[in-house]
Amino acid sequence: DTEVTQTPKHLVMGMTNKKSLKCEQHMGHRAMYWYKQKAKKPPELMFVYSYEKLSINESVPSRFSPECPNSSLLNLHLHALQPEDSALYLCASSPPSGGTYNEQFFGPGTRLTVL
Amino acid sequence: AQKVTQAQTEISVVEKEDVTLDCVYETRDTTYYLFWYKQPPSGELVFLIRRNSFDEQNEISGRYSWNFQKSTSSFNFTITASQVVDSAVYFCALSEAPIRSNDYKLSFGAGTTVTVRA
Repeated sequence: DTEVTQTPKHLVMGMTNKKSLKCEQHMGHRAMYWYKQKAKKPPELMFVYSYEKLSINESVPSRFSPECPNSSLLNLHLHALQPEDSALYLCASSPPSGGTYNEQFFGPGTRLTVL
Repeated sequence: AQKVTQAQTEISVVEKEDVTLDCVYETRDTTYYLFWYKQPPSGELVFLIRRNSFDEQNEISGRYSWNFQKSTSSFNFTITASQVVDSAVYFCALSEAPIRSNDYKLSFGAGTTVTVRA
């Protein structure tokens, strides 16, 4: 299995809703990432988990709450979002360092619309 | 701080033309990694190539080739004999050595939109 999967593909939610994005990989990667990408812009890093521990939080508002229940799963819990949070949310994973390669492999993304 | 500049916002070519995408980077680290990713309209970022700072060999993969020059801090990407399926946004990215063992921060350039017309 050489892919990163993300569910759902599309999500529409109101500002008072609570929803979660899910990301899964079975490549044995021990770093997982959340990115946010607005239209016609590059991806912006939100969070990095390394060996299931939160390693980097790029000053993301608390209405975004990441969770890494195990080495294969990464969730992003959403609560009280704003319309400007509408974007493509990309998950990525990368192999453990010490190996030859450290490229990040991306999932197809969840397109989020906040009404 | 690291920075990646892709000066070309959009490039439009006719099929079979060659197209070169420029990427210039800035970093203070001596160890760093450069990447190219392709993002087709479907949205998924597809990894194309990784280059280490200590490996200046150019590379060719089918119709794709990359020219890495440390002297000018550039990592340019050429598509030879372009095809309609090459239409996508292409991102150049830079990653310095991780702070800890496993977390790499990717800094992306703004991206270049390539449109190949039939």
